[in-house]
Amino acid sequence: NAGVMQNPRHLVRRRGQEARLRCSPMKGHSHVYWYRQLPEEGLKFMVYLQKENIIDESGMPKERFSAEFPKEGPSILRIQQVVRGDSAAYFCASSPLAGPSYEQYFGPGTRLTVT
Amino acid sequence: GIQVEQSPPDLILQEGANSTLRCNFSDSVNNLQWFHQNPWGQLINLFYIPSGTKQNGRLSATTVATERYSLLYISSSQTTDSGVYFCAVERGGGTSYGKLTFGQGTILTVHP
Repeated sequence: NAGVMQNPRHLVRRRGQEARLRCSPMKGHSHVYWYRQLPEEGLKFMVYLQKENIIDESGMPKERFSAEFPKEGPSILRIQQVVRGDSAAYFCASSPLAGPSYEQYFGPGTRLTVT
Repeated sequence: GIQVEQSPPDLILQEGANSTLRCNFSDSVNNLQWFHQNPWGQLINLFYIPSGTKQNGRLSATTVATERYSLLYISSSQTTDSGVYFCAVERGGGTSYGKLTFGQGTILTVHP
């Protein structure tokens, strides 16, 4: 059973470009979570999605960031007009359901560098 | 939101030594997980342990939910244990399903 897959593993963008990060959950998992690890701030929750629904986006920056998890295909975290402060590791996790008794499994992360 | 504090922030050991890492949290929790972030940056699941005690090889963990803390024990440490250990919790009460709050981590360095 393959684990959570993320691609690309490393992404370099110039300021002002768009970044698209992809996450394929573990087989049988329908709940996806995105987290960001900034150098001085640690790991922070960004958004929780189910297929075609955003459940909790309380950790998403108000502008330039969006996330989706379509009926078919991977979950996408999209960052428009990137700035240097967006440079971070972005992790995706998945679980079969949310709530008590369900462990989250993490992917290897995407390291975004904005030049 | 819920607060998660880990101690110690840094720990340096000689190979073969034992250690205990602590995680304190400020509210009831549905979920508590321990992770190891290796030098390549990958997050490795160690334990899912909202309560009770579990063991996996040289590692074991105990969560006392009523007293709001969890402990991770590493015995006979090896250089490959080096990295950052994170505790993460999901607040109880049903309003924060799926949202893990991470502690700041314990940086472990094991010397040969």
